[in-house]
Amino acid sequence: AQTVTQSQPEMSVQEAETVTLSCTYDTSESDYYLFWYKQPPSRQMILVIRQEAYKQQNATENRFSVNFQKAAKSFSLKISDSQLGDAAMYFCAYSPPMNRDDKIIFGKGTRLHILP
Amino acid sequence: DTGVSQNPRHKITKRGQNVTFRCDPISEHNRLYWYRQTLGQGPEFLTYFQNEAQLEKSRLLSDRFSAERPKGSFSTLEIQRTEQGDSAMYLCASSFRTGGGGETQYFGPGTRLLVL
Repeated sequence: AQTVTQSQPEMSVQEAETVTLSCTYDTSESDYYLFWYKQPPSRQMILVIRQEAYKQQNATENRFSVNFQKAAKSFSLKISDSQLGDAAMYFCAYSPPMNRDDKIIFGKGTRLHILP
Repeated sequence: DTGVSQNPRHKITKRGQNVTFRCDPISEHNRLYWYRQTLGQGPEFLTYFQNEAQLEKSRLLSDRFSAERPKGSFSTLEIQRTEQGDSAMYLCASSFRTGGGGETQYFGPGTRLLVL
């Protein structure tokens, strides 16, 4: 069965610095999708970034980028120039390939604190 | 389209009462998911639909929980004979599962349930 592991329950970073959140997953599939979601305190969960496993190029969205290591089954999120508004729970998620009716699986999350 | 909406946003009930939550997905989305989330934890899968068909229900879900999506549009989640352990945030998410584009879930704001 597929699993998603986020080994860092909490992290802190100084404002304007760079932080990397870790995520590893386990699957026997070769084609799948990976996501990072952000959930600010008492607010809605929103998609931060998405990566297709067949793409070698790492996804980037403004200050957010990923380091996708398919062989190592690692999918870390890098936040550059951290801002106070980045403080949130971050969830890594795995989506199975299109020929499967399986559901998306979430990690337990990493709470990110931004220090002013 | 304003995204996924959920009603009510908050619900306080007494133990033993029944409650029903509603989720309206993004209109063209064919998949709809229900999750439960407790403080500091990741979303816990409850059930999901593809159109009107309920494809999977979590084995952790007791018989007191039932969900419907009668016309493949909005969905309801009912909890019968509520217990204090049911207190949580109930999240709804929708997505469009396609043949080649992968699946990205979009979340609603959630319904926070408190059972007294």
